[in-house]
Amino acid sequence: DVKVTQSSRYLVKRTGEKVFLECVQDMDHENMFWYRQDPGLGLRLIYFSYDVKMKEKGDIPEGYSVSREKKERFSLILESASTNQTSMYLCASGGLGSTDTQYFGPGTRLTVL
Amino acid sequence: DAKTTQPNSMESNEEEPVHLPCNHSTISGTDYIHWYRQLPSQGPEYVIHGLTSNVNNRMASLAIAEDRKSSTLILHRATLRDAAVYYCILRGGSNYKLTFGKGTLLTVNP
Repeated sequence: DVKVTQSSRYLVKRTGEKVFLECVQDMDHENMFWYRQDPGLGLRLIYFSYDVKMKEKGDIPEGYSVSREKKERFSLILESASTNQTSMYLCASGGLGSTDTQYFGPGTRLTVL
Repeated sequence: DAKTTQPNSMESNEEEPVHLPCNHSTISGTDYIHWYRQLPSQGPEYVIHGLTSNVNNRMASLAIAEDRKSSTLILHRATLRDAAVYYCILRGGSNYKLTFGKGTLLTVNP
């Protein structure tokens, strides 16, 4: 069974803290994605990576950075967490094409106080 | 991006078939129709996709209208584990990101 795992299901942080969200996939996919999901706003792409050390900004990259040092691992970093970054964060891996599937992790619900 | 329209919610009884509709009147000729679902407190999972012909897999069937302006996801025998939000999305060309709308919340009654 294909698997995307995320380091935490729930996380509570304070404003100004640096936050690391880790994602690991076991499908040998070139592409990995970070989305956030908010009620009424749907799913929004933060960043994606198409190869090790390669990244592209998504729709809402401000306040976030990413790191892809190994093919199977994609990290999302909140340099200085703010309350408006309280959200569900979803990692995915998969293809870019119109017939390709993206496989999602279980999500990390982050609360910034 | 071409838009899709789905009912906000639907209800079904266990063991009965469920037909989840999706309208996509501005679909382009190269857009594939994908369905994902999201169970409570889980990440989205892929269900099925198609272009023109009807498609079947172990999870569901996808019926696509001849003019491709609408499609229907069919769960042949709903179970309690099928209770989820179902998303219909279009993917075409260089659209690498998934854009989910509000989807349809399916409730399955025992």
